[in-house]
Amino acid sequence: NAGVTQTPKFQVLKTGQSMTLQCAQDMNHEYMSWYRQDPGMGLRLIHYSVGAGITDQGEVPNGYNVSRSTTEDFPLRLLSAAPSQTSVYFCASSSFDRNQPQHFGDGTRLSIL
Amino acid sequence: RKEVEQDPGPFNVPEGATVAFNCTYSNSASQSFFWYRQDCRKEPKLLMSVYSSGNEDGRFTAQLNRASQYISLLIRDSKLSDSATYLCVVNERNSGYALNFGKGTSLLVTP
Repeated sequence: NAGVTQTPKFQVLKTGQSMTLQCAQDMNHEYMSWYRQDPGMGLRLIHYSVGAGITDQGEVPNGYNVSRSTTEDFPLRLLSAAPSQTSVYFCASSSFDRNQPQHFGDGTRLSIL
Repeated sequence: RKEVEQDPGPFNVPEGATVAFNCTYSNSASQSFFWYRQDCRKEPKLLMSVYSSGNEDGRFTAQLNRASQYISLLIRDSKLSDSATYLCVVNERNSGYALNFGKGTSLLVTP
């Protein structure tokens, strides 16, 4: 059981470039989310989805787009990368039960030069 | 944004010691509570859920005090492998399924 899979694990971009961070889960979870983690800031929610075709903004959505065309996949797109988006990005998924934990992918480490 | 506050530490303890972490949350509508563990540069992993009656899992005991809005984690007989950052996590009733993370408490267990 793969759980939550994120690709790539590492990426270096130049300012202004665009890219997509991939996230896939095989647990048939309805809820998926993207977080970023910066030193001293903890994890902050970027975007989330409660099912295919439904997405919403989290705490820090600016500069990012998401879509959810299938239950399994929830890609995160950086439209025009900025150095402030240098961070570690985690994708997570869970079932529709607030008492159940979220399962995290092992992260994408992104550097914007 | 409602806050989840933790002492960042670091807590440096010898092997075999007992250590306790506290966490406070500001949103009284918070519904679910968890402790996650995060090793350096790795993804957060669930350590344990926290129930109103308190719960224990081996050397780990979690307590919830809704009246005072704090959560605690007690680790007994610390092992070197317990060295990590411990994240207090709260799900707020009005935030859907989004989790609100504390910034974490760093624990270093030394020989």
